[in-house]
Amino acid sequence: ETGVTQTPRHLVMGMTNKKSLKCEQHLGHNAMYWYKQSAKKPLELMFVYSLEERVENNSVPSRFSPECPNSSHLFLHLHTLQPEDSALYLCASSQDLGQPNSPLHFGNGTRLTVT
Amino acid sequence: AQSVAQPEDQVNVAEGNPLTVKCTYSVSGNPYLFWYVQYPNRGLQFLLKYITGDNLVKGSYGFEAEFNKSQTSFHLKKPSALVSDSALYFCAVRDYGGYQKVTFGIGTKLQVIP
Repeated sequence: ETGVTQTPRHLVMGMTNKKSLKCEQHLGHNAMYWYKQSAKKPLELMFVYSLEERVENNSVPSRFSPECPNSSHLFLHLHTLQPEDSALYLCASSQDLGQPNSPLHFGNGTRLTVT
Repeated sequence: AQSVAQPEDQVNVAEGNPLTVKCTYSVSGNPYLFWYVQYPNRGLQFLLKYITGDNLVKGSYGFEAEFNKSQTSFHLKKPSALVSDSALYFCAVRDYGGYQKVTFGIGTKLQVIP
């Protein structure tokens, strides 16, 4: 049982829709991350939050908008997506950004399909 | 810039045989090295890490990894493969000091044949 929960597990949306992905961690961690996983490509880091403050925005298009209301919850708001945005979106958490030996704990992801 | 290379897209091994999944890395300083495993329709799961000290690191499910500084490698190993080990394996690296993001390899698919 993972300590990081993502909902929904699957999402199909049209290019004009607005939807949100949700992530919740029960591990007491202070850092949270969004990754994009596409076939045959390395994991792409999208956003990093530390204690609800965004510390990295990795050149992600503005159609992806993150929100971190507290250290346990992370959202990814989606609007006017493109078909190439179809991928598995993974949320992760870690103890602290200042502890680089701390491994990442991942949720099971949201499989997003943009039609 | 740091990088990770996993030279094999797929590794096939017979059940009961030893397995090796290869990883080489490049960092400017001393590395933190990690292995993660991903089963179908699941997120990545931490297996083991190298920080400092003994070059042979033991992790979950009988896996171990050998750190070789001169070859900048961190190969994942297991003495006897199980069919249930079939999954996607990711090597990752992080630089020492401050906030440094984790860089992942492209992943190696391990297929254990009964």
